[in-house]
Amino acid sequence: RKEVEQDPGPFNVPEGATVAFNCTYSNSASQSFFWYRQDCRKEPKLLMSVYSSGNEDGRFTAQLNRASQYISLLIRDSKLSDSATYLCVVNEGGSYIPTFGRGTSLIVHP
Amino acid sequence: NAGVTQTPKFQVLKTGQSMTLQCAQDMNHNSMYWYRQDPGMGLRLIYYSASEGTTDKGEVPNGYNVSRLNKREFSLRLESAAPSQTSVYFCASSEEFEKNTIYFGEGSWLTVV
Repeated sequence: RKEVEQDPGPFNVPEGATVAFNCTYSNSASQSFFWYRQDCRKEPKLLMSVYSSGNEDGRFTAQLNRASQYISLLIRDSKLSDSATYLCVVNEGGSYIPTFGRGTSLIVHP
Repeated sequence: NAGVTQTPKFQVLKTGQSMTLQCAQDMNHNSMYWYRQDPGMGLRLIYYSASEGTTDKGEVPNGYNVSRLNKREFSLRLESAAPSQTSVYFCASSEEFEKNTIYFGEGSWLTVV
């Protein structure tokens, strides 16, 4: 079984802090990668895709390290509203089945 | 902007009862999925349908059946509910398997007593 591993946390950080999560995957053939955000008792929603060259969206930066088989999510200047669970998703390609990590919980406090 | 719509939102069943969770998407997506989410377990795939007319088992298919009624609709049936099936169920869809931005419905909270 292909594995996607995340530190469940919680990561407890003050407002304004920078926090980073990693997600490791076991299948070297994986081709596409995503970060999703899930609020309590809500559905997961796409936060950002992860491109080979890395990508940034405002305060969020996602990176891919194929050699070490992990993706990362960096959040700068954390806001209270960033409190959520962050799920990484890995797709092997040629497969219809995306694999979700169990999520990393982030709590941003005043 | 309906996206993925699933019903019912909440349901309480007695052990042994049957029920069907309905899901429809209006984004003309080819692939559809049913997941369950339990505390500490993350999202686990129950069944998926890569395209209209096909369905396949996911990680935890036992106790469930599915029907891809047409391109829009993908239903999940519990034939004889068990307490172990108490969970939150999410229906989801994606355009194609290689364009795997997955869009989720709002979830169905199912309790089996």
